[in-house]
Amino acid sequence: GPKVLQIPSHQIIDMGQMVTLNCDPVSNHLYFYWYKQILGQQMEFLVNFYNGKVMEKSKLFKDQFSVERPDGSYFTLKIQPTALEDSAVYFCASSLGLQTGEQYFGPGTRLTVL
Amino acid sequence: GDSVTQTEGPVTVSESESLIINCTYSATSIAYPNLFWYVRYPGEGLQLLLKVITAGQKGSSRGFEATYNKETTSFHLQKASVQESDSAVYYCALGDNNNAPRFGAGTKLSVKP
Repeated sequence: GPKVLQIPSHQIIDMGQMVTLNCDPVSNHLYFYWYKQILGQQMEFLVNFYNGKVMEKSKLFKDQFSVERPDGSYFTLKIQPTALEDSAVYFCASSLGLQTGEQYFGPGTRLTVL
Repeated sequence: GDSVTQTEGPVTVSESESLIINCTYSATSIAYPNLFWYVRYPGEGLQLLLKVITAGQKGSSRGFEATYNKETTSFHLQKASVQESDSAVYYCALGDNNNAPRFGAGTKLSVKP
């Protein structure tokens, strides 16, 4: 079936640097999401994105976070500057509609901030 | 806020044994939540296992079942006889047509041959 890809699978970065996580969504999907999961904790919703704009974001989506999908390419999550508490696995998802259960998820990017 | 609490893993069972992974939910902003179980096999993305949108109903898929119990706010996942290929991480979630799904922490299941 359709797959969502995430690049890279692992990223190690020094605190204060910028990082960009890339998501290659299902080609005809319209809605895009990022989730964050710290080891042993709940997978938390960060943001969803539609038609070039953030639709909804949680309190975890700090000012240092930004998302974009320039010209229908990768859907990206940028963190600038990174902090130690940003260490987590970040999951991307995409969907054709907004209904829960429609989303296709990527395998995640493990981000380690040193 | 809306939240989901599920069995803390890891859970280890032997092949052909029965399984139950507990899930309870709290829905404060969603009047009629839909409930879901997702599964993530090693190296793959999260995928929908089953969903139930009406209280009192049961969903089933691949031998797994879960009943939406509004009285106890629960949606426990059960399987009568697990297989080694069921080893994965299972996530309970709630959502509706207007909001992105809210997930539990996940329960890692290991099935011993």
